[in-house]
Amino acid sequence: GAGVSQSPSNKVTEKGKDVELRCDPISGHTALYWYRQSLGQGLEFLIYFQGNSAPDKSGLPSDRFSAERTGGSVSTLTIQRTQQEDSAVYLCASSFTGYSYEQYFGPGTRLTVT
Amino acid sequence: RKEVEQDPGPFNVPEGATVAFNCTYSNSASQSFFWYRQDCRKEPKLLMSVYSSGNEDGRFTAQLNRASQYISLLIRDSKLSDSATYLCVVSGGYQKVTFGIGTKLQVIP
Repeated sequence: GAGVSQSPSNKVTEKGKDVELRCDPISGHTALYWYRQSLGQGLEFLIYFQGNSAPDKSGLPSDRFSAERTGGSVSTLTIQRTQQEDSAVYLCASSFTGYSYEQYFGPGTRLTVT
Repeated sequence: RKEVEQDPGPFNVPEGATVAFNCTYSNSASQSFFWYRQDCRKEPKLLMSVYSSGNEDGRFTAQLNRASQYISLLIRDSKLSDSATYLCVVSGGYQKVTFGIGTKLQVIP
């Protein structure tokens, strides 16, 4: 079946602009995660959605970052007023249900802020 | 202390060698443990789950030591294709999942 998809695959934006990153999880997966990975670094947890529960936003680095998940499926990560330090690969993952299940990752969106 | 700690390496081993990685975790209430593999400029992919009784998948063996709070990954008869970064992942119940920084393995001919 189809895996996790993300779009765009690459995004170059100017400092100060807003960007939206999209994630389509695997059908039937109720849990969805966003991470970012800077060059040569580990994965940094950003936000977690599980079903209709309130999302765990504890990893969002600032109030410029927000995410939503509509209809329990597609998710959008929005970064407002982008800064150069936001440059990273943004990875989305989904799992069958909560934290205890293996995650399946999308190919990521490589964001470059110039 | 970090929630999940791994030696970033790199571990440079010859083909055919056996190599082992450890990963320590700080939360004794952690319940689920995984090893993921990440190739250069690719997304992480699940390698194997780690069960309390340990588990083996071909050349790969994963073990859990709850008393000392670490998990291990053993790779036997290393192949060139095993070259990658191996990520340790820990989670449990309502505790968010935490990825280690990863251990880089380079298998050399």
